[in-house]
Amino acid sequence: DTAVSQTPKYLVTQMGNDKSIKCEQNLGHDTMYWYKQDSKKFLKIMFSYNNKELIINETVPNRFSPKSPDKAHLNLHINSLELGDSAVYFCASSPWTGSGEKLFFGSGTQLSVL
Amino acid sequence: EDQVTQSPEALRLQEGESSSLNCSYTVSGLRGLFWYRQDPGKGPEFLFTLYSAGEEKEKERLKATLTKKESFLHITAPKPEDSATYLCAVQAGGGSNYKLTFGKGTLLTVNP
Repeated sequence: DTAVSQTPKYLVTQMGNDKSIKCEQNLGHDTMYWYKQDSKKFLKIMFSYNNKELIINETVPNRFSPKSPDKAHLNLHINSLELGDSAVYFCASSPWTGSGEKLFFGSGTQLSVL
Repeated sequence: EDQVTQSPEALRLQEGESSSLNCSYTVSGLRGLFWYRQDPGKGPEFLFTLYSAGEEKEKERLKATLTKKESFLHITAPKPEDSATYLCAVQAGGGSNYKLTFGKGTLLTVNP
């Protein structure tokens, strides 16, 4: 069983469209994250949820809206996509807030905005 | 602001040729320093956590060490399957911001 699974693996879309990425973890973790890895390979945190509560919200355009229906799921919805949104988006989970260690990452969603 | 700088950006080794990767950091109160491995098309995979200067961790051919300013990932007698990007990250102590700040990574290629 995949511990952290995200879909889709690839997402190609036009500027201005709205798209969503889904993430699910079956590890029983309390905390989930969205990270963005840009073309320069820097991995930067976007959001973190602990038991469905938003605890980290970095400087991310409000076109990006995370939603956590339960602690096993964290979805990312992006409105009005722009060229600069093209990147690989990783979902991750960890046992408890602030542990840092042993983040379990999904395999990523490569978003290409044309 | 927390900063992590990894060097070299890329390293090519022959199988069995030992070397080290460097991670320099500036952080206000280190809570932990982490090493991850990332294979192409996959998410990072946790390797080690180091908490204080002088601490060392080992796993197979990898050994991570920590000083007050930097961490090293030593690779002894590497094999082609060790080829990957190795990421270093720091977590600052205090406050409620538990985010990890990642470096750009070192792309390691081990030739047979």
